[in-house]
Amino acid sequence: EADIYQTPRYLVIGTGKKITLECSQTMGHDKMYWYQQDPGMELHLIHYSYGVNSTEKGDLSSESTVSRIRTEHFPLTLESARPSHTSQYLCASRRVSGNTIYFGEGSWLTVV
Amino acid sequence: GENVEQHPSTLSVQEGDSAVIKCTYSDSASNYFPWYKQELGKGPQLIIDIRSNVGEKKDQRIAVTLNKTAKHFSLHITETQPEDSAVYFCAARSNSGYSTLTFGKGTMLLVSP
Repeated sequence: EADIYQTPRYLVIGTGKKITLECSQTMGHDKMYWYQQDPGMELHLIHYSYGVNSTEKGDLSSESTVSRIRTEHFPLTLESARPSHTSQYLCASRRVSGNTIYFGEGSWLTVV
Repeated sequence: GENVEQHPSTLSVQEGDSAVIKCTYSDSASNYFPWYKQELGKGPQLIIDIRSNVGEKKDQRIAVTLNKTAKHFSLHITETQPEDSAVYFCAARSNSGYSTLTFGKGTMLLVSP
């Protein structure tokens, strides 16, 4: 069982609002990731981190930002949400020396 | 960069039948190939993986085969059960510590009783 947690699980917010999606893992993993999953199922890597104070943009351009101040915490922030940001966001992590990526259960964001 | 193609996008089988999902990859440096299962409302979970020095790996009803020359790998599920219904993703990654997984677009498997 993966010890990686995402909050909130479901959120409906208005356009223009600021939102932070929280992700925490208790496995001591250095590498963390944010994926955006569209209704067609495809997983798009939007941000990742190799460790504290490391953040990188992924393959899919995103208006969101991330921070990594602590090993266990990798929050994703949207400064001004728009309907196009409506999606499921999945957080994941793995050990530097490991292969397995562990996913959280996802945060469903709807912007109205 | 790596490109992973996955087929089919949807697959319907009868309970007890076998299901096969196929993936191809483009980067010959890739040497790690995991398969993830995503059930409704949950995040993907690793079900089996294979490294490039192995041609086949089995775990009960699930097996994965890898053909490095042709750059393709497949997931085989035998004696399918309704609880196998989910979305399955293949992925590929090179051995570089800085590399990330590249996922296929997913296959929705539906097993009918």
